[in-house]
Amino acid sequence: AQTVTQSQPEMSVQEAETVTLSCTYDTSENNYYLFWYKQPPSRQMILVIRQEAYKQQNATENRFSVNFQKAAKSFSLKISDSQLGDTAMYFCALSHKGAQKLVFGQGTRLTINP
Amino acid sequence: DTGVSQNPRHKITKRGQNVTFRCDPISEHNRLYWYRQTLGQGPEFLTYFQNEAQLEKSRLLSDRFSAERPKGSFSTLEIQRTEQGDSAMYLCASSLSPRTGDNYGYTFGSGTRLTVV
Repeated sequence: AQTVTQSQPEMSVQEAETVTLSCTYDTSENNYYLFWYKQPPSRQMILVIRQEAYKQQNATENRFSVNFQKAAKSFSLKISDSQLGDTAMYFCALSHKGAQKLVFGQGTRLTINP
Repeated sequence: DTGVSQNPRHKITKRGQNVTFRCDPISEHNRLYWYRQTLGQGPEFLTYFQNEAQLEKSRLLSDRFSAERPKGSFSTLEIQRTEQGDSAMYLCASSLSPRTGDNYGYTFGSGTRLTVV
């Protein structure tokens, strides 16, 4: 069974600050993918960043980066120079290689204050 | 390409009525997924199709739920005899599945919000 846990229901930071969202997961598989999705208020879910479990190098997409700790089964998202448009629900998700189904965490509501 | 389109955006129905939602995926995507999201929670997998074949169904998909993708293009999700517990956002997503089994993530639609009164 796969589980994804996001222990921070809500977070709030000031614009331009750096914020880190936590995610832990459990799986018995060795080959899998991890994702962070962003869901702005009343808008569709958007893929932020993707990590392949067999790659040790942490994924980076502009201001978004991850800290992937495979042994600890931890996958945190760091947002640098936060912007008002980053305000959204953020979901961590897991998928096994070859199985396209995503298992999502409960989400973290992030608010960027001006 | 306008992305994944879902209709209607909102649906209010009385308990016991049947409802049907439609999803039009990105045209070249061969996989289509349905998820359910209740308020304050992450999406939960319901079912997915590869082309017209329904390959997996969650235990959440009771016998009142049925999904189809008749020609491997758009999909419909029908809920019969709706209950108040069916109230949720129903999300559709699509992807292009590589033969390697890699997962590059989905493109989601904006969802259909169902309210059962």
